[in-house]
Amino acid sequence: ETGVTQSPTHLIKTRGQQVTLRCSSQSGHNTVSWYQQALGQGPQFIFQYYREEENGRGNFPPRFSGLQFPNYSSELNVNALELDDSALYLCASSLSRGRITGELFFGEGSRLTVL
Amino acid sequence: TQLLEQSPQFLSIQEGENLTVYCNSSSVFSSLQWYRQEPGEGPVLLVTVVTGGEVKKLKRLTFQFGDARKDSSLHITAAQTGDTGLYLCAGVKGGSEKLVFGKGTKLTVNP
Repeated sequence: ETGVTQSPTHLIKTRGQQVTLRCSSQSGHNTVSWYQQALGQGPQFIFQYYREEENGRGNFPPRFSGLQFPNYSSELNVNALELDDSALYLCASSLSRGRITGELFFGEGSRLTVL
Repeated sequence: TQLLEQSPQFLSIQEGENLTVYCNSSSVFSSLQWYRQEPGEGPVLLVTVVTGGEVKKLKRLTFQFGDARKDSSLHITAAQTGDTGLYLCAGVKGGSEKLVFGKGTKLTVNP
């Protein structure tokens, strides 16, 4: 148990729809990172939020967006879903000091299937 | 192009055997981490190596960071069925906030 909870655990959408995934970070953590893990692949960095601001972004299009709230929980939004967006979406929380990210604690992920 | 190459991609062994998995890159990393991920769960951190040439031991697991900080290996002695899982290496480049993962080695330890 890492103390990081994600919801929903599984969901099915169709192409063109929009999805919101949620993450509650571990108590005391101020940073949330989102990763996409396609089947048979390692996790790919989407973006990171530190104290409610985006702090780094991977090679993902603008239809992937996020938010971090004052309680440090976070949302990942994906618009205009495509078939290739089908993946496990992982949230990881950490305690960062300045711009240095601490150890990541991962949630169990949200499994998104796009039909 | 994969920044971190892990090998082998799949490994199936019998309980009690030893094994080594590798994580290689042409890039230098300020630190490198190893995770284990079980089906339906998120990755769990096993170890972080920071210094070139560093060796860390975690019970039957031995982790080594290459002298040039471009590669790492994980050696498991006397594997157990509970070691089954996906082993991921991940690197942090200096000044970056993102963790770059390899594709992983899927290990199956048979009884």
